[in-house]
Amino acid sequence: SSELIQPPAVSVSPGQTARITCSGDALPKQYAYWYQQKPGQAPVLVIYKDHERPSGIPDRFSGASSGTTVTLTISGALAEDEADYFCQSADSNGEYVFGSGTRVTVL
Amino acid sequence: QVQLVQSGAEAKKPGASVQVSCKASGYAFTNHYIHWVRQAPGQGLEWMGLISPSGGSTSFAQKFQGRVTMTADTSTTTVSMELTSLRPEDTAVYFCARDGAVVPTDGDNFYGMDVWGQGTAVTVSS
Repeated sequence: SSELIQPPAVSVSPGQTARITCSGDALPKQYAYWYQQKPGQAPVLVIYKDHERPSGIPDRFSGASSGTTVTLTISGALAEDEADYFCQSADSNGEYVFGSGTRVTVL
Repeated sequence: QVQLVQSGAEAKKPGASVQVSCKASGYAFTNHYIHWVRQAPGQGLEWMGLISPSGGSTSFAQKFQGRVTMTADTSTTTVSMELTSLRPEDTAVYFCARDGAVVPTDGDNFYGMDVWGQGTAVTVSS
């Protein structure tokens, strides 16, 4: 299955912009999805189909795609955005693949 | 409201089987696939497979082929996942998650896993 590579950690100051990347060979052909997971909780979908935002997700979360890399941007990060973020896509066999996850620290 | 409620924690010995259930409510049960995703302690998310509650068709990650079974009961709006031949590395939190696409209206589109269960901890230890 295709691998999705994320940086292990990203730090951001409150009110600043955090960018989390996710790289994979399948990404030019497959949409990417992003999930936020806080400790002890289930993941929450924050971006689907590269850049679409589900209802209820704040507009400070945005997604973009360029070639083999997709990016989740948190504009004006808040303390409540501190969490693990996982990208997800699909491989050529129809299997769903998750990235290794990025811990975002707001400090 | 739309929710998925999973069964409670399980402790199993190596070689045993475990069944985790996921009861759906607040939406048309047969209109959305259900995925199963697991997360080992301190690790990332791993997709195991999915089931279509309307017809029971399934698709599994190659890693779990032959060891996993998924079933759906439309009378109780419950999906179950059984994993056999358990080993210590199967220790994880197991999540069910609803596929956001509406079947068959949305065709092959995938809109992400938009509703998740609370997770079920499965511990495999001798």
